[in-house]
Amino acid sequence: QKEVEQNSGPLSVPEGAIASLNCTYSDRGSQSFFWYRQYSGKSPELIMFIYSNGDKEDGRFTAQLNKASQYVSLLIRDSQPSDSATYLCARSGNTPLVFGKGTRLSVIA
Amino acid sequence: GAGVSQSPRYKVAKRGQDVALRCDPISGHVSLFWYQQALGQGPEFLTYFQNEAQLDKSGLPSDRFFAERPEGSVSTLKIQRTQQEDSAVYLCASSGLGALGTEAFFGQGTRLTVV
Repeated sequence: QKEVEQNSGPLSVPEGAIASLNCTYSDRGSQSFFWYRQYSGKSPELIMFIYSNGDKEDGRFTAQLNKASQYVSLLIRDSQPSDSATYLCARSGNTPLVFGKGTRLSVIA
Repeated sequence: GAGVSQSPRYKVAKRGQDVALRCDPISGHVSLFWYQQALGQGPEFLTYFQNEAQLDKSGLPSDRFFAERPEGSVSTLKIQRTQQEDSAVYLCASSGLGALGTEAFFGQGTRLTVV
């Protein structure tokens, strides 16, 4: 089992809808969780990070963390075609950032 | 500098050739990470420095891979006797914090193609 698991997608949502991206992790020592966005041919860029159980909102993005279930998610409200990219979930703890394979999101205009 | 800078952006190497990839982190960032990203995959951890100390090199795939950061700033990833399976994008990231709670910022990467 990989440390960080993500559905590779593609996840297709219509413009204006909510996109829900999910991630599970295996290491209970994980302390911090990150969502990165990666456009094709570009490097990952940090969208959000979360340390505590619950929700964290930043504009159209909401990260959710449930440590008991070892589950992290990212919600994107009012999805735009420019949100079409691969979304990488990552965790850190007593080891440096470990990434999932990423979920490809396609927002259809 | 304003961001993490990597060079070269693209490198084509003949199989068996040695290559050196450079990373110039964000000024003042103590932590530096190297990742390897194959097509369609997430970044795979290679190695991690805190200042000049290499604290974790568990992700280096073989002894052909070597990384250094002698003065705690610029880092070089060297691959000896390149093989076709080394073809990938090599990403460098830096952070102002340690490995815990890391908010890492990535460079544009070096795309290595071994022919």
